[in-house]
Amino acid sequence: SQTIHQWPATLVQPVGSPLSLECTVEGTSNPNLYWYRQAAGRGLQLLFYSVGIGQISSEVPQNLSASRPQDRQFILSSKKLLLSDSGFYLCAWNTMNREEHYGYTFGSGTRLTVV
Amino acid sequence: AQTVTQSQPEMSVQEAETVTLSCTYDTSESDYYLFWYKQPPSRQMILVIRQEAYKQQNATENRFSVNFQKAAKSFSLKISDSQLGDAAMYFCAYRSASGGSNYKLTFGKGTLLTVNP
Repeated sequence: SQTIHQWPATLVQPVGSPLSLECTVEGTSNPNLYWYRQAAGRGLQLLFYSVGIGQISSEVPQNLSASRPQDRQFILSSKKLLLSDSGFYLCAWNTMNREEHYGYTFGSGTRLTVV
Repeated sequence: AQTVTQSQPEMSVQEAETVTLSCTYDTSESDYYLFWYKQPPSRQMILVIRQEAYKQQNATENRFSVNFQKAAKSFSLKISDSQLGDAAMYFCAYRSASGGSNYKLTFGKGTLLTVNP
């Protein structure tokens, strides 16, 4: 069965420090991978998505970057965090291979607080 | 670009009663998928129900059902026999059936459902 792991669950980082959030998917190959941010418990903002290794598309210009070093690994990074980077970060995957996976399966999220 | 609108920022329902959450979308495509996601206080996003646009029959999952009106571009979620555990933020989402970057889901802004005992 397919599972998605996202860590850490909670992170408190000082302004100006680096960031690395990791997401891995198991039980499927060549998934489409996504990073979302959710501020103030409201809407979902798509940050990055990837349809293959090394292929990253950015939806909004910001202080963050993403990488996909392996087929089922997606990393969200920052060199220097800003206060405005605080929020709830969600990783998700889907595929075109099977209809039941056309929608997203989400990770459990990372709550990031920049202090 | 497709847009998804949830016109009800908040809704409330009494336990054991029925509530309907509204969702409309805008698209020029004829083939697509629609979803409802639930986000409880834990903030884990959970797929509630999926509807394929090519299917005329409304999807159902236990106490959850949808009213899919393709011509009206409407996709409402009905929760029957509401339970305290149904309290959550509910998001409506759209996905094109075509490939490439259209794998992405477009989400509405969400409806916060409160269930009163």
